[in-house]
Amino acid sequence: DSGVTQTPKHLITATGQRVTLRCSPRSGDLSVYWYQQSLDQGLQFLIQYYNGEERAKGNILERFSAQQFPDLHSELNLSSLELGDSALYFCASSEKGTGIPEAFFGQGTRLTVV
Amino acid sequence: GENVEQHPSTLSVQEGDSAVIKCTYSDSASNYFPWYKQELGKRPQLIIDIRSNVGEKKDQRIAVTLNKTAKHFSLHITETQPEDSAVYFCAASDYNQGGKLIFGQGTELSVKP
Repeated sequence: DSGVTQTPKHLITATGQRVTLRCSPRSGDLSVYWYQQSLDQGLQFLIQYYNGEERAKGNILERFSAQQFPDLHSELNLSSLELGDSALYFCASSEKGTGIPEAFFGQGTRLTVV
Repeated sequence: GENVEQHPSTLSVQEGDSAVIKCTYSDSASNYFPWYKQELGKRPQLIIDIRSNVGEKKDQRIAVTLNKTAKHFSLHITETQPEDSAVYFCAASDYNQGGKLIFGQGTELSVKP
């Protein structure tokens, strides 16, 4: 167990809908990262939050957004869903700022858009 | 842009043999290079990492080497076992700039008994 918790584990929804994925980082970790894993794209960095602020942005679609709350949990919002958004979405956390770069992953949310 | 190339995409070895996976990164600012093992449907698990001020690191049957000049780093697994079968990902990051990971495409390792 990495200490990073993601909910839900599985999500099935229809095209055009909106979903929210939730991530609780390891205790003490200030950074949360979101990654998308699809069969043809591998593991792609989406976005990073550090202590409530957006820190870095990757290949994240405009239909996707995220935030990190004062208790450091994070949510990834996916809207106007398309079939191609079906993927595993992973959250990872690390303790940036102390020179400890190791990132630990949650178990992921498998999103299926039908 | 930032890119990590990983080879081979698939690797099949006999139990007891060694396995080597190679990665090349493009961003010269990268200073942290972790390796993750991912079993089917599960989370990527950190197995070993190396920082740019070190050329080699070993942990039991696993070792990683880094050549900063050539921007190459490699994972070496000795005395492979069937439970080593999984997909392995290399990654590169600049942890002074937030630590986002840029992943290679993955290597599916199969260890045959």
